[in-house]
Amino acid sequence: EAGVAQSPRYKIIEKRQSVAFWCNPISGHATLYWYQQILGQGPKLLIQFQNNGVVDDSQLPKDRFSAERLKGVDSTLKIQPAKLEDSAVYLCASSAGQLNTEAFFGQGTRLTVV
Amino acid sequence: SQKIEQNSEALNIQEGKTATLTCNYTNYSPAYLQWYRQDPGRGPVFLLLIRENEKEKRKERLKVTFDTTLKQSLFHITASQPADSATYLCARSMDTGRRALTFGSGTRLQVQP
Repeated sequence: EAGVAQSPRYKIIEKRQSVAFWCNPISGHATLYWYQQILGQGPKLLIQFQNNGVVDDSQLPKDRFSAERLKGVDSTLKIQPAKLEDSAVYLCASSAGQLNTEAFFGQGTRLTVV
Repeated sequence: SQKIEQNSEALNIQEGKTATLTCNYTNYSPAYLQWYRQDPGRGPVFLLLIRENEKEKRKERLKVTFDTTLKQSLFHITASQPADSATYLCARSMDTGRRALTFGSGTRLQVQP
């Protein structure tokens, strides 16, 4: 079974620039998550999709972050404009969508904002 | 808000010993707790899930307990090996009907040969 695919693996941008991350979840997984993990901390949820609908985006800084999941499969997360404090690893995860099921994570995209 | 705390930033133990990691939560008990392993440069990998009505769960050398009175979960690795060295994350479910997890900050385990 193929895992969660993310790209790119690394990205370095200057502050105020924009950046986009891509995620392809495990086939058939209805639920997709984007997490932000700052060095030394645990992952923090940014947004959760159920198919192509948003379940929870309460912690997404909507003035600069946006995400979409067209057709309920792939997803993109965008930051515009980036700030220094956005430097982190952005993790995509998916789950089968049933209660009490595990989340499968991708390797993440390490973003450095300079 | 529902918080989850892992008290130890780092834990160093000798090979062959049992590692015990602690996870504490606030407010009401979550429906379940999950434990993940994370290696440097990788995403978290699921290890075990324990439900609110379960006291203990085992998988090979791993054991998780859930104490709703103490609001605590303990994660044990018996007969630890250097290959067990990693960061271990505890995660709780959020409100009923929502499936996203709230993670603790993790405990970095180092098993010395």
